[in-house]
Amino acid sequence: NAGVTQTPKFRILKIGQSMTLQCAQDMNHNYMYWYRQDPGMGLKLIYYSVGAGITDKGEVPNGYNVSRSTTEDFPLRLELAAPSQTSVYFCAHAAWSNQPQHFGDGTRLSIL
Amino acid sequence: GIQVEQSPPDLILQEGANSTLRCNFSDSVNNLQWFHQNPWGQLINLFYIPSGTKQNGRLSATTVATERYSLLYISSSQTTDSGVYFCAGGQAGSARQLTFGSGTQLTVLP
Repeated sequence: NAGVTQTPKFRILKIGQSMTLQCAQDMNHNYMYWYRQDPGMGLKLIYYSVGAGITDKGEVPNGYNVSRSTTEDFPLRLELAAPSQTSVYFCAHAAWSNQPQHFGDGTRLSIL
Repeated sequence: GIQVEQSPPDLILQEGANSTLRCNFSDSVNNLQWFHQNPWGQLINLFYIPSGTKQNGRLSATTVATERYSLLYISSSQTTDSGVYFCAGGQAGSARQLTFGSGTQLTVLP
C-alpha cells in the first residue's frame, strides 16, 4: 500500500450527510495530498499539507476541509455531501515537494 | 496553471509489442512523474523524471524539459501492463502541486 492506508474503501452517503475520509502514512513524510478522480478523468488536487499544522488549498477545495495535527494522519472532511462529490478519493504522500508521490488504494464514495 | 496533454488517449497492443506514450506540457515543469493505474484502480508511481532518461526493467522514460514533453516507452508488453498511464507535472514555485493529464488507456491482448 506504498506506506499509506485509506479508510473506508467504499461508502455510500445521503445528500447532506457528513463524513471523514481517513489517511495515515507510516513513512514519516512531510508532504501529503488529497486528490479526487472522476470517471474517465485524471486526478485533481483538493488539499495538500507540507507538514503537521500546515495545510493549503489545491485546485478543487470547495466542499472539503482538512486538518494535519500529526505527521502520520491527514483526514479529509465532507461537511454537507452533494452528488457532485461522488468520486474516488486518493491520498498520497511524498518525502519532499520534488520527490515521487505514492498513493493509497483510494476510497470510492457515492452520494445519493 | 499548466495544461497537460497525453497521447494517444487509447492504445491496443498485442502482447510482445512495443509502444510509446507522449505527454506535452503547456509550460515548463520541474516536477514530472509517470503513474500506472491498474484495472483495480491502484496508482503506482513509475518514474520521477523532470529531465533526462530513466529505465526500470521493460519501462523507460525520457523528458526533454526545454521542449516541454516526456515519453514513456513500454517494450515487450505484457497483459499486466494494461491500465491507464498518467503523466503529471508541477512548476517551480508551486512544485507541491501536480497537474495530471487525462491518461492513456492501454490494453494488451494475449
